[in-house]
Amino acid sequence: DAMVIQNPRYQVTQFGKPVTLSCSQTLNHNVMYWYQQKSSQAPKLLFHYYDKDFNNEADTPDNFQSRRPNTSFCFLDIRSPGLGDAAMYLCATSIPGTQSYEQYFGPGTRLTVT
Amino acid sequence: AQSVSQHNHHVILSEAASLELGCNYSYGGTVNLFWYVQYPGQHLQLLLKYFSGDPLVKGIKGFEAEFIKSKFSFNLRKPSVQWSDTAEYFCAVNAYSSASKIIFGSGTRLSIRP
Repeated sequence: DAMVIQNPRYQVTQFGKPVTLSCSQTLNHNVMYWYQQKSSQAPKLLFHYYDKDFNNEADTPDNFQSRRPNTSFCFLDIRSPGLGDAAMYLCATSIPGTQSYEQYFGPGTRLTVT
Repeated sequence: AQSVSQHNHHVILSEAASLELGCNYSYGGTVNLFWYVQYPGQHLQLLLKYFSGDPLVKGIKGFEAEFIKSKFSFNLRKPSVQWSDTAEYFCAVNAYSSASKIIFGSGTRLSIRP
């Protein structure tokens, strides 16, 4: 009964080689998020979708892009990965509302850049 | 800008000891508050949350947290920890003005000696 699914769980890519991480949800939540989490640090929000509306964080590098083709799926594209992009990438979902900003997280994709 | 401070980076306790992890946030308006836990190798999961009402909130696994508005604090407590509580704990804040976003603290790593 997985609710937020991320594939793959581990991804190895080469320096500069584009890579796509995927996230799907069975919760039918309006909002989907992508976070970057480096070792022993807080998750850092990269961007989020509120339905089809894309919201980029001001300090998210242009190297990171996202697509949300439908409610269930959201993709993170890293156009030219650098060594500093090696991290755990977390997808999360939520239902916006007066009391429901609780976020539901997937297991993450650990990205290694060689 | 909103921020969340967790002052303890790493806490080491023996089993059956009492736990209190500090969390302070900076935002003057209405907030939702969360504690998330990340067990080794697992995804982030919600421990407890505060939206309104009783400032003493009880969560899963015997954890509780108290919202003290005057101190901008939301400290996490457990009267008697177990070895299985070894994990990373993140405090997080959602400000009503920030729509769907939540801000995470830097995390506290809790290590329990058996």
